[in-house]
Amino acid sequence: EAGVAQSPRYKIIEKRQSVAFWCNPISGHATLYWYQQILGQGPKLLIQFQNNGVVDDSQLPKDRFSAERLKGVDSTLKIQPAKLEDSAVYLCASSFLPYEQFFGPGTRLTVL
Amino acid sequence: QQQVKQSPQSLIVQKGGISIINCAYENTAFDYFPWYQQFPGKGPALLIAIRPDVSEKKEGRFTISFNKSAKQFSLHIMDSQPGDSATYFCAAQDTNAGKSTFGDGTTLTVKP
Repeated sequence: EAGVAQSPRYKIIEKRQSVAFWCNPISGHATLYWYQQILGQGPKLLIQFQNNGVVDDSQLPKDRFSAERLKGVDSTLKIQPAKLEDSAVYLCASSFLPYEQFFGPGTRLTVL
Repeated sequence: QQQVKQSPQSLIVQKGGISIINCAYENTAFDYFPWYQQFPGKGPALLIAIRPDVSEKKEGRFTISFNKSAKQFSLHIMDSQPGDSATYFCAAQDTNAGKSTFGDGTTLTVKP
């Protein structure tokens, strides 16, 4: 069974630039999550999709972050414009049941 | 407000020793408590999980102890091995709402 795929793995941008991350969940997993993991902290949920509907985006900074999940499969997370404090690893996870989440390898973002 | 508090931040154990990581939660709506293991450059991976209707769950060298009245749970790694060196995250999940909250992680180093 293929795991959760994410790209790119690394991204370096200047502040105020925009960036997009892509996630392909495990086939058949209806629920998709985007987390932000700042160095030394646990993952923080940004947004959760059930199929292509948003379940929870209460911690998503909506003035600069946006996410979509087209056709209930792949998802993209965008930051525009980026700030220095957005430097983190962005993790995508998917689940079939509301229990075990399968994480991708993450995208490490550095904002200079 | 941090809903899941994890300690210690870091832990050094000799090979063959017992590693113990503790977590405390506040929200009584949480009904699923997983532990994740994360190696550098990888996403977290589910290690073991428990539901609040049992006080202990064991899988190989890994055991979760759960104290519902105290709202605390802990991970015990018996016969710790150098390959167990990783960052461990506890999490608490409200499966009805589908929301997960992670602790800030414990970096475990097992010395040979």
